[in-house]
Amino acid sequence: GQNIDQPTEMTATEGAIVQINCTYQTSGFNGLFWYQQHAGEAPTFLSYNVLDGLEEKGRFSSFLSRSKGYSYLLLKELQMKDSASYLCAVSPMNTGFQKLVFGTGTRLLVSP
Amino acid sequence: DVKVTQSSRYLVKRTGEKVFLECVQDMDHENMFWYRQDPGLGLRLIYFSYDVKMKEKGDIPEGYSVSREKKERFSLILESASTNQTSMYLCASSLTGVTEAFFGQGTRLTVV
Repeated sequence: GQNIDQPTEMTATEGAIVQINCTYQTSGFNGLFWYQQHAGEAPTFLSYNVLDGLEEKGRFSSFLSRSKGYSYLLLKELQMKDSASYLCAVSPMNTGFQKLVFGTGTRLLVSP
Repeated sequence: DVKVTQSSRYLVKRTGEKVFLECVQDMDHENMFWYRQDPGLGLRLIYFSYDVKMKEKGDIPEGYSVSREKKERFSLILESASTNQTSMYLCASSLTGVTEAFFGQGTRLTVV
């Protein structure tokens, strides 16, 4: 099976940097996804890590360490519009990488 | 742009009714998914399909069934709706298990 854990809620200030962690226990997976979901809306894709290390995309970066069973999403220069839930997800190897399983998500509140 | 369309944004059904939730995607994606999202529990996978007429149980399939007669359409069926199936239901599709998933806008189902 797979357990994917994230903090329930985080708060941060506009302009700051925040790191959202995701830890998982799974028998193996091809890569790890991060999605953003604003209240009342559908999740949208942010990033995908296959290899260990940091993937940077503008203000957002995502990091993966397979040996430590750990990923994080780093958000820089926070803006009010970054207030949303952030979901990490994996496609486990034992399902042929077809199944997509999510963590419970982290709700981020950005204040002025 | 990929479009995933769910037939209804809001539905109210009575206990015991048979309920159909429809999802259509327009990008020839192989994989389609049905999730339900509840506060504090995140996105939980009900069923997924990796090809026409192929389906696999997710983590919470009890009380649900699915149908995929055509590649673009994936239907979720509640055989006999119960109040504990009141939830937000999200459909998603992806080309493969290692590419991003695209979500529909969700159907908020209330069973009374």
